[in-house]
Amino acid sequence: KAGVTQTPRYLIKTRGQQVTLSCSPISGHRSVSWYQQTPGQGLQFLFEYFSETQRNKGNFPGRFSGRQFSNSRSEMNVSTLELGDSALYLCASSLGQGNFGNTIYFGEGSWLTVV
Amino acid sequence: QKEVEQDPGPLSVPEGAIVSLNCTYSNSAFQYFMWYRQYSRKGPELLMYTYSSGNKEDGRFTAQVDKSSKYISLFIRDSQPSDSATYLCAMPGANSKLTFGKGITLSVRP
Repeated sequence: KAGVTQTPRYLIKTRGQQVTLSCSPISGHRSVSWYQQTPGQGLQFLFEYFSETQRNKGNFPGRFSGRQFSNSRSEMNVSTLELGDSALYLCASSLGQGNFGNTIYFGEGSWLTVV
Repeated sequence: QKEVEQDPGPLSVPEGAIVSLNCTYSNSAFQYFMWYRQYSRKGPELLMYTYSSGNKEDGRFTAQVDKSSKYISLFIRDSQPSDSATYLCAMPGANSKLTFGKGITLSVRP
């Protein structure tokens, strides 16, 4: 079956712009989480959505937001981009909410470069 | 102190070597432990997970957990060049978010 699909795979934006990243989870999966990966900080949790509701949020500023649609597809948005937002943004999906007993599958990520 | 600390690496070993990758954690609430493998320019993939203290084996891979010391390890036997990747330990917290170690990059030389 198809895995987690993220688009776009690569993008370059200018400081101050905004960006929207998209994630299609594995068919039947209702939970979508977003992570930011940088060489300095590693993988950091952004937020989790389940049934169109944000269930958990990490320690990121309000410039980072997301949403989930009725078909479980999710988008995340970063406004007023800063150079430090350059990172690999990873989407992960699982059948249920939370990580206990749920296998989590990651997409290949969206590489964002802010110049 | 970070919740999850992982040996920084990088690590380079000859083909066939036994590899030991380690993480320590500070949060006693962590009860469930995972190892992910991430190839260059790819997303992480779940390699192994375990709930309890002790060893869990899967082919050439063994995950070991010592809850009393808050220490987990991943052993790779007979390492292959195809094992060259970044390995990340991860633990779900009470709010279900995954907390990752920073990852260690392993290179297996033919």
